[in-house]
Amino acid sequence: KNQVEQSPQSLIILEGKNCTLQCNYTVSPFSNLRWYKQDTGRGPVSLTIMTFSENTKSNGRYTATLDADTKQSSLHITASQLSDSASYICVVSAGLTGGGNKLTFGTGTQLKVEL
Amino acid sequence: DAGVTQSPTHLIKTRGQQVTLRCSPKSGHDTVSWYQQALGQGPQFIFQYYEEEERQRGNFPDRFSGHQFPNYSSELNVNALLLGDSALYLCASSFGDRDYEQYFGPGTRLTVT
Repeated sequence: KNQVEQSPQSLIILEGKNCTLQCNYTVSPFSNLRWYKQDTGRGPVSLTIMTFSENTKSNGRYTATLDADTKQSSLHITASQLSDSASYICVVSAGLTGGGNKLTFGTGTQLKVEL
Repeated sequence: DAGVTQSPTHLIKTRGQQVTLRCSPKSGHDTVSWYQQALGQGPQFIFQYYEEEERQRGNFPDRFSGHQFPNYSSELNVNALLLGDSALYLCASSFGDRDYEQYFGPGTRLTVT
């Protein structure tokens, strides 16, 4: 069964500090992994997308890493801002026989940045 | 260039009623996927429409049905509403099999009382 597990479930940090969110997955066959940011009551917004051959990708203050051997990914946020407060969701895409992909979503890490 | 739009924004229904949610994909996109997101949970895949047909389906009962129109917009219908159907319903659009370029709409908040 395809699964995506994220940790921690929630996190509180002070503004300006860095943090790292974790994602472990058991999805096969692996196609790509993406991180989304979701503000409360809004749709998810894509931060990074990584394929099997990519082990790091950055988007401003967000840097994602991927270890396809251990099936782990992390999202590092540098110099956090109050606007970073949101849920961060790890999504893994598996290729389907005959074409198309199936997405498996993690339950997200709820990040709160405080003054 | 309009992104993914959904309507209505919020909706309150009574148990047993039926509801229709609407989604217009991002310009240039032809594939629409629907997700249900309960409070504090990640989105759960309901189904995906491509070329006006259901291409994939998640583990949702037949009470959940959909439709895609020739202009690629889509509807999600839920019959015989249950309290547990209360959730944020997200629509995402993409082009063909390129779901890595999937864009999400703002969602419709459905409350069943």
